[in-house]
Amino acid sequence: DTAVSQTPKYLVTQMGNDKSIKCEQNLGHDTMYWYKQDSKKFLKIMFSYNNKELIINETVPNRFSPKSPDKAHLNLHINSLELGDSAVYFCASSPTRRGQSTEAFFGQGTRLTVV
Amino acid sequence: AQTVTQSQPEMSVQEAETVTLSCTYDTSESDYYLFWYKQPPSRQMILVIRQEAYKQQNATENRFSVNFQKAAKSFSLKISDSQLGDAAMYFCAYRSQVTGTASKLTFGTGTRLQVTL
Repeated sequence: DTAVSQTPKYLVTQMGNDKSIKCEQNLGHDTMYWYKQDSKKFLKIMFSYNNKELIINETVPNRFSPKSPDKAHLNLHINSLELGDSAVYFCASSPTRRGQSTEAFFGQGTRLTVV
Repeated sequence: AQTVTQSQPEMSVQEAETVTLSCTYDTSESDYYLFWYKQPPSRQMILVIRQEAYKQQNATENRFSVNFQKAAKSFSLKISDSQLGDAAMYFCAYRSQVTGTASKLTFGTGTRLQVTL
């Protein structure tokens, strides 16, 4: 009965390929995110969606394109993968209290390795 | 922009002892949330504890408690009766609660906690 689930957990691919990571949450939250954790464990926001609308788009190469078909799903598609894209990608969702998002609930992460 | 600083890259504690992890943050806002997340080797991000800035009382969750000093912009995590399962990376995080802003979690760089026998 996973709250935030993302697939796949591991992804090994060659440079230049296109890949997608899928995320689904069954918590009924309005807001979903993609975070990237680099090799030094630093976590940084990439994108945030609220009710399928993009609300945060940090400085991310346009090879990364999020898609939210409905508020329970937020997928991440990456074109022309580069070695530097190797990282752990986390999907997360947040409930809303007093009109604002609060804590984030994270998926188990997808370790992407580009070779 | 808000920043979160964790000045202890690594900490070690003996089982059953108490350890305190430090976190400071910089913001000009008055309404925000602070969090501590735990990331064990499984890499799952687990919420440990949450503090709302407008609440003066320090949050507690079983063996975990915080020392929230709003004026000093300090938010330390105390783990009492440490257990082997507490070994993990611990991240401090900040989220703005300013109405009308699209908020995000801003993380510190993490503290790796080792628990020894």
